Amino acid sequence: DVKVTQSSRYLVKRTGEKVFLECVQDMDHENMFWYRQDPGLGLRLIYFSYDVKMKEKGDIPEGYSVSREKKERFSLILESASTNQTSMYLCASSFRGRGNSPLHFGNGTRLTVT
Amino acid sequence: SQELEQSPQSLIVQEGKNLTINCTSSKTLYGLYWYKQKYGEGLIFLMMLQKGGEEKSHEKITAKLDEKKQQSSLHITASQPSHAGIYLCGAGRDNYGQNFVFGPGTRLSVLP
Repeated sequence: DVKVTQSSRYLVKRTGEKVFLECVQDMDHENMFWYRQDPGLGLRLIYFSYDVKMKEKGDIPEGYSVSREKKERFSLILESASTNQTSMYLCASSFRGRGNSPLHFGNGTRLTVT
Repeated sequence: SQELEQSPQSLIVQEGKNLTINCTSSKTLYGLYWYKQKYGEGLIFLMMLQKGGEEKSHEKITAKLDEKKQQSSLHITASQPSHAGIYLCGAGRDNYGQNFVFGPGTRLSVLP
């Protein structure tokens, strides 16, 4: 079974803090994704990566950055957390290539910025 | 950009009843995926459909993709309280499985 592990289920941070959300997958997937999920807005793609050190902006990259130094690990960074970044953050991974493969998700990190 | 719409937004059914959730795209889909989410948790992959006219079943859940690959339905037969949750459809914006997009979700409640 694919396992995608997010380092924290719940996180509370103060405005202005630098926040790291970590995600690790154990299936040698090329693609990794970060989404945020908010009521009424659904899942929105922040960034994705299709290889080590490669990254692509999603729909809402402002205020975020990412790091992928190793294939199995994809980090989301909030350089200076703000209250509008309070949300549920979901990491996912998948194989890359024609024919598509499903995304496999972690359990999510609920971040509160006060 | 490709957007996915789902209907209904929410659904309350009595245990044992059948139900259908729909997912519609304005563009041809590069694969259509159905997920289920329990409140406050991650998404669990249910089924993937790739070919026009394809139909897949798992236990009491059946998913279909229309011939034009722009509409999919998820049908649950004889619903149970364990089916309750949020159902989301998702699709790739390209044929490499990258840059995925999701529908807004359908919240299902099953009354015992």
